[in-house]
Amino acid sequence: QKEVEQDPGPLSVPEGAIVSLNCTYSNSAFQYFMWYRQYSRKGPELLMYTYSSGNKEDGRFTAQVDKSSKYISLFIRDSQPSDSATYLCAMSETSGSRLTFGEGTQLTVNP
Amino acid sequence: GAGVSQTPSNKVTEKGKYVELRCDPISGHTALYWYRQSLGQGPEFLIYFQGTGAADDSGLPNDRFFAVRPEGSVSTLKIQRTERGDSAVYLCASSSNPGLAGVEQFFGPGTRLTVL
Repeated sequence: QKEVEQDPGPLSVPEGAIVSLNCTYSNSAFQYFMWYRQYSRKGPELLMYTYSSGNKEDGRFTAQVDKSSKYISLFIRDSQPSDSATYLCAMSETSGSRLTFGEGTQLTVNP
Repeated sequence: GAGVSQTPSNKVTEKGKYVELRCDPISGHTALYWYRQSLGQGPEFLIYFQGTGAADDSGLPNDRFFAVRPEGSVSTLKIQRTERGDSAVYLCASSSNPGLAGVEQFFGPGTRLTVL
């Protein structure tokens, strides 16, 4: 079983929809949680970074971490066609250590 | 440029050949990471350098894979006796001060390796 599980999708939504992306994990030592966005043939770019449990909001993006359930989420409000990409969750045990990624969810936002 | 750069962008080789993949991190970044991303999968950790030394090489799949960072800047990932299963995108990332919470790993565009 993988340490991090993520539904690969694909997920297709109309423009303006609220998108919910999720990951579960099994390693209780993970303390740092991230969401990366990856466009086709590009490297991942960091969207959100959260330490331990709680919520973090940045513009249209909200990240939630529930360590008791080993479950993290990313919400995208008012989704735009430019949000179409693969979204990867990633986790690490300590700051700066190796990242363990989910499989990625492919999102398409239709105009 | 200001970002992480990787060369070549694409590499096609034959089974059994030796390849070298290069990563130029962001200037001043002390930490450098290599990941491998197979089609439809998330990146998989290979090795992490802090300065010139490998702080964590537990992700290297076998002894055909080796990486160096002799001057604490540019790094080279070396793969001997390539196999078709080595075909993937090899990603490099760097960060400025990995011990600080919230410090981001910046990724390069990757090298797409195809082993025929």
